[in-house]
Amino acid sequence: AQSVTQPDIHITVSEGASLELRCNYSYGATPYLFWYVQSPGQGLQLLLKYFSGDTLVQGIKGFEAEFKRSQSSFNLRKPSVHWSDAAEYFCAVGARANAGKSTFGDGTTLTVKP
Amino acid sequence: GAVVSQHPSWVICKSGTSVKIECRSLDFQATTMFWYRQFPKQSLMLMATSNEGSKATYEQGVEKDKFLINHASLTLSTLTVTSAHPEDSSFYICSATPTQEGYGYTFGSGTRLTVV
Repeated sequence: AQSVTQPDIHITVSEGASLELRCNYSYGATPYLFWYVQSPGQGLQLLLKYFSGDTLVQGIKGFEAEFKRSQSSFNLRKPSVHWSDAAEYFCAVGARANAGKSTFGDGTTLTVKP
Repeated sequence: GAVVSQHPSWVICKSGTSVKIECRSLDFQATTMFWYRQFPKQSLMLMATSNEGSKATYEQGVEKDKFLINHASLTLSTLTVTSAHPEDSSFYICSATPTQEGYGYTFGSGTRLTVV
């Protein structure tokens, strides 16, 4: 069975500081990996995805993530956080054959201090 | 880009009544759509896979008679919560994707259901 672990429930960073959100997955085959962001009361917005190829993927809003197969990780990073980045972040994994049927992590809440 | 529209954004209904939620792919066709449920401060739980022209596939523990899914066209899937009760109050989100891999997976904006 596939699973996703986001070890950090809540992270607080200062505006302008760098950010790294951790994601570890368990999956028996080559995974499709995603990061989504959710603002309160809103749906999810796709930040970036990894299917294959270059293990460092660039996304929207200045985010990037690195796929490390040996560590089963897909951590999300941003060099300089903006106050508008405060939100809930979800990592998800899907099967190559049916990636729309995703398993989500429990999410990490990001708070940005002025 | 791919856009998924979900309607209504929020709904309040009385206990015992039914509520229908629509999920539309606006600029692409989706043979498969997915329905998720999210409790406050929690992650998304896949409820069912909606298949155009055939029966939905429900995840274990999801009551198919309570959560009726109809995928009558390539751009529309509906979720009907029947005989709603307060414990059905939740945030329901649908997702869909074009067949091309490059689009990734697009989510609707969600529907907040409150049963009183």
